[in-house]
Amino acid sequence: NAGVTQTPKFRVLKTGQSMTLLCAQDMNHEYMYWYRQDPGMGLRLIHYSVGEGTTAKGEVPDGYNVSRLKKQNFLLGLESAAPSQTSVYFCASSYPGQGVTYEQYFGPGTRLTVT
Amino acid sequence: GESVGLHLPTLSVQEGDNSIINCAYSNSASDYFIWYKQESGKGPQFIIDIRSNMDKRQGQRVTVLLNKTVKHLSLQIAATQPGDSAVYFCAENFNTNAGKSTFGDGTTLTVKP
Repeated sequence: NAGVTQTPKFRVLKTGQSMTLLCAQDMNHEYMYWYRQDPGMGLRLIHYSVGEGTTAKGEVPDGYNVSRLKKQNFLLGLESAAPSQTSVYFCASSYPGQGVTYEQYFGPGTRLTVT
Repeated sequence: GESVGLHLPTLSVQEGDNSIINCAYSNSASDYFIWYKQESGKGPQFIIDIRSNMDKRQGQRVTVLLNKTVKHLSLQIAATQPGDSAVYFCAENFNTNAGKSTFGDGTTLTVKP
């Protein structure tokens, strides 16, 4: 089991460019999440998905879009990158259910710099 | 009144000492809590969890205490080792909320040899 993987690991963008971050999980988890983590801060939820074909906004969704076309993949898109989107992005997944923990499994992160 | 530990952004301890990391949570309806450990350059990793119907849970070298009256969590690490150096986050959840966690600001633990 690879768990949760993210590509790319690092990326530098110029202001106005677009890109897509890919998250993949091989644990058959229903729920997937995208977070951003800024220096010295906790994790802030950007978007999440409770199943294939569904997405919902989190705490800081502006400037990002997501898609969950397949259960194992969750894509995060930046349509027009801004310096304020410089951050480390983490993907996570979890398995819901009564009596089951809500532990989230995290990927290794993508470090994005927008100049 | 009861004394509750303050959340500190950084904590430095000597190797072999016990560490206590505190967290205040915000939602009185939260019914499930998790502590995560984040090592430098990595994603957070699950350490231990506790449900709201408990006030204490023990793992290997770690204990989580929950005080619902004052909405406070603590993580105790026994015999702290250099490998425990990391950022520790608490997270709160409540049932049916799509498994979404609200994360605290984190405490950076440094273990001095």
